[in-house]
Amino acid sequence: EIVMTQSPATLSVSPGERATLSCRASQSVSSNLAWYQQKPGQAPRLLIYGASTRATGIPARFSGSGSGTEFTLTISSLQSEDFAVYYCQQYNNWPPETFGGGTKVEIK
Amino acid sequence: QVQLQESGPGLVKPSQTLSLTCTVSGGSISSGGYYWSWIRQHPGKGLEWIGYIYYSGSTYYNPSLKSRVTISVDTSKNQFSLKLSSVTAADTAVYYCARDDSGWYAYWGQGTLVTVSS
Repeated sequence: EIVMTQSPATLSVSPGERATLSCRASQSVSSNLAWYQQKPGQAPRLLIYGASTRATGIPARFSGSGSGTEFTLTISSLQSEDFAVYYCQQYNNWPPETFGGGTKVEIK
Repeated sequence: QVQLQESGPGLVKPSQTLSLTCTVSGGSISSGGYYWSWIRQHPGKGLEWIGYIYYSGSTYYNPSLKSRVTISVDTSKNQFSLKLSSVTAADTAVYYCARDDSGWYAYWGQGTLVTVSS
């Protein structure tokens, strides 16, 4: 099973600032990586797939990069609605598809 | 627009079988092209992939749960279902159904909390 490790666990950022979230895979997942945003009481929302392709309707301030074992989600200028928990997910080696433990982005 | 909706008991007794159904609207399971998945989230924790099914009935399960999981599909009702046997408190979680779009999940149900308790 591929283990996905996200860092940091919590990121404190001021509105308008840039946020950089990291995700590391225990072995190469090529570009088969997705990012999700989850707010309390809601299902996860797909942001990025294929490591860097924004999902339908996702604002351009969200961008993904990386391949192999190291990936980054960048939010260029944090808006109030962006404070949430973010998860990465690999779908290169399955079963099982595996998710990271999440990064909580909170207001500084 | 595809929509998914979970249904089933919110409380299950230890050692019994958890049963949930996901009803799909806005798209037909039998049209193929997608796997239909179950994912769970323990309270305050991350996401755990349980398994998925194709319209033909082909299934893939998380090895950690494989001995207790059965996922089935009813294309006539446009539904797929989850059964998890011999549950314990560790199975208390929010259970989501979702559509696997070549590995990622663009469509999710709202989730349903299942509590295992006597």
